[in-house]
Amino acid sequence: SQTIHQWPATLVQPVGSPLSLECTVEGTSNPNLYWYRQAAGRGLQLLFYSVGIGQISSEVPQNLSASRPQDRQFILSSKKLLLSDSGFYLCAWARTVMDSPLHFGNGTRLTVT
Amino acid sequence: QQPVQSPQAVILREGEDAVINCSSSKALYSVHWYRQKHGEAPVFLMILLKGGEQKGHEKISASFNEKKQQSSLYLTASQLSYSGTYFCGISNAGGTSYGKLTFGQGTILTVHP
Repeated sequence: SQTIHQWPATLVQPVGSPLSLECTVEGTSNPNLYWYRQAAGRGLQLLFYSVGIGQISSEVPQNLSASRPQDRQFILSSKKLLLSDSGFYLCAWARTVMDSPLHFGNGTRLTVT
Repeated sequence: QQPVQSPQAVILREGEDAVINCSSSKALYSVHWYRQKHGEAPVFLMILLKGGEQKGHEKISASFNEKKQQSSLYLTASQLSYSGTYFCGISNAGGTSYGKLTFGQGTILTVHP
């Protein structure tokens, strides 16, 4: 069966510090990978998606970047965090077939102070 | 464009029914429904595809009205475990959409004993 791991679960970082969140998927190959952000009490906003190694598409201009160094690894980064980067970050994967459901990781709650 | 969910919140007693609507300003290709418990990741419920489909999942079912560009989620004989925030995620294009979903703002469902 497929599993998705995301860490850390919580993170408190000062403004201006770097960020690295990691996500790995097991039990499947060549998945589509996604980073979503959820502000408190809000919906899910797609930040990045990837259909293959080294292929990253950004959905919104922002202070963040993503990389996919291996087939089942997806990393969200920032060189300098802003207060507005606080939120609940969710990694998700889906099969590369049309209309496959998203399977989310447990999320990382990031607080920028 | 973000779909609009209604109502924003609903409170039920165990055993009561509820309907959550998801409306799009553009033609819909597919609609996904997810439920999120507080502090947890969203969990997939079902997908509906263009074609006016209706699906069921135990006491939770959904419909897709292509003409109205709307989907509705029906929860019957609600249980305490149904409490959470329900999100619809829409795709306005099939094929190359790569599973990119635009999510509504969520509907908070609370079921009391």
